[in-house]
Order: sequence, then structure tokens, then C-alpha cells
Amino acid sequence: DAGVIQSPRHEVTEMGQEVTLRCKPISGHDYLFWYRQTMMRGLELLIYFNNNVPIDDSGMPEDRFSAKMPNASFSTLKIQPSEPRDSAVYFCASSFTGELFFGEGSRLTVL
Amino acid sequence: AQSVTQLDSQVPVFEEAPVELRCNYSSSVSVYLFWYVQYPNQGLQLLLKYLSGSTLVKGINGFEAEFNKSQTSFHLRKPSVHISDTAEYFCAVSGPRTGANNLFFGTGTRLTVIP
Repeated sequence: DAGVIQSPRHEVTEMGQEVTLRCKPISGHDYLFWYRQTMMRGLELLIYFNNNVPIDDSGMPEDRFSAKMPNASFSTLKIQPSEPRDSAVYFCASSFTGELFFGEGSRLTVL
Repeated sequence: AQSVTQLDSQVPVFEEAPVELRCNYSSSVSVYLFWYVQYPNQGLQLLLKYLSGSTLVKGINGFEAEFNKSQTSFHLRKPSVHISDTAEYFCAVSGPRTGANNLFFGTGTRLTVIP
């Protein structure tokens, strides 16, 4: 299996622009998680899905953030409009048995 | 609710020396405990986990950890480190009911192996 695939690996954008991060989970996994990692705050769980349904989005920082999972093999995390404080590495992870498998992350820089 | 404290943010150690990375947790219920490793510019990957049973857990790359309920600790150890072990290590805890759905990560310990 190719593992969890995230794109883009790096994104540099200007404040106010829309950013879309993408994730393809491991086939057969029924849980999908979005995390954000920064030096200041460490790893934060933003939202997670079970069988494509959002279960807990309490970690989403504000309404500028939204996440969707239209099918079992694809999820997006959107930031609109983006702000410099959104700069971070965003990780997608999937799970079936309780062990999390992480993607390599999307490094976002908002100027 | 669960929480995790990693007592050391950075641990430098010479190659082939032993290392211990400390992790303490707090929880009012029984827990599952995990150690993840993050190599530069990569995602996290599971090193080992404690769910139940033997308190000494062996993981990949020669690492092991011991669950100590009385001290609420889950320290990670390796008897002889290699340069390739240089990475960030995260301890995580979850409740048995929530499992991976509600993992609480520590702030991480950066292990640097010195040649």
C-alpha cells in the first residue's frame, strides 16, 4: 500500500488567499484525521471523520477552516481566507484498528 | 480527560550510548499509551504501543517502553542508539473507549545522536 498521500507537500501563499489541502487515506481505513503541527502548539487534532462523516470538529480553530470527505478515498481541508498564523504543517492520518498512519504532511506558509 | 507530559524537550546523546525519553500521563481511567517517531520532513510513525498485558513493550528499531501504573509513566528506552535514531519522539495517550479517535500527544522530545 502507498500509505496516506497528501498534497501539496509545500504551499506558499499570500494572506487572504484560499488554500486547499488534500488527503488520500489508506484503502480500507474507516477513520480519517486532520492534525496541525506548529512549534508553539505542537500537534493539534483539528477534525476527524468516521466512514466519511465528521464526528468531532471541535479542534477547528475558526470558521475560516472547513473539511470535507466526499468519499472513502478523499478528504480536503480548506482555509479561506488564509492568514499568516495559519502557517504550519498539516497532517492527515487514517486508522482502522486504532493505530494511526500519518501522511508526510503539507507545509503551509502564508505570507 | 487524559494528558501527557514529556519532561525533556531535547536529549543529546552520544552514538552507542543508552537513552531514556521520559513520558508521564494523567488519566482518571485506564489508558492506552503510544510512542511515535517523526523523522525530518516526514509524518509520525508508530514505534510501539501499550494496550494491556505485559508492562514491558518492545517496538521497532530496538526501542522498548515500560508502563508503570503507580508512577503513571511510560518511558522509552534504547540500550544503544544510532545516528539514524535522531528524530522527534512523541508520547501519546488515549482512553480505551475512544482509542485513536482521541489521542493526546505530548509536546515531543528531540533526540540528537552525536557521532
